[in-house]
Amino acid sequence: DIQMTQSPSSLSASVGDRVTITCRASQSISSYLNWYQQKPGKAPKLLIYAASSLQSGVPSRFSGSGSGTDFTLTISSLQPEDFATYYCQQSYSTPIFTFGPGTKVDIK
Amino acid sequence: QVQLVQSGAEVKKPGASVKVSCKASGYTFTSYGISWVRQAPGQGLEWMGWISAYNGNTNYAQKLQGRVTMTTDTSTSTAYMELRSLRSDDTAVYYCARVSGVVIINYYYYMDVWGKGTTVTVSS
Repeated sequence: DIQMTQSPSSLSASVGDRVTITCRASQSISSYLNWYQQKPGKAPKLLIYAASSLQSGVPSRFSGSGSGTDFTLTISSLQPEDFATYYCQQSYSTPIFTFGPGTKVDIK
Repeated sequence: QVQLVQSGAEVKKPGASVKVSCKASGYTFTSYGISWVRQAPGQGLEWMGWISAYNGNTNYAQKLQGRVTMTTDTSTSTAYMELRSLRSDDTAVYYCARVSGVVIINYYYYMDVWGKGTTVTVSS
């Protein structure tokens, strides 16, 4: 089974900061990597699919990169509404999906 | 608009079963799959399984094999997830999500529409 890890598990940042979250797969997954945002009490929201494609309606300050085993989600200028938990998900073994453990972004 | 509407909260005793529904609207139900994802209190997201709304093919997470069954009713565009022999650690919010795909040389899948979640509490 493919295992996903994320780092850091949490981070504190200020509005306007550039934030980078890393996701690593236990084996190469090419570009089969998605990113989701989840706010407390809400369902997850798709941000990025296929490692770097921005989902329709998602602000351009979000970007994704990477391939193989190492991936990055970047928020170029953190906004108040971006404080949330972010999850990566591999879709290489579709229809089996695996989520990373999540990265919580909170206010410094 | 495209949406998934889930059934209401459930409280069950250990050993019982629960069946959660997920009604789709705003799109052709049989053109997509549905995945179920759960989240225990204060924990991360756990993928439970997937069902093709086209032909009913399923794939379940290994740890739930034998306890979970996913089905669809194409006449009502509704997906169902039944979990049996409930334990306290099955207490969670259960989400259904539409599985979509796009061709970028290869076919890439992702969950682009989510239900609001159904809280299942297992307690004696």
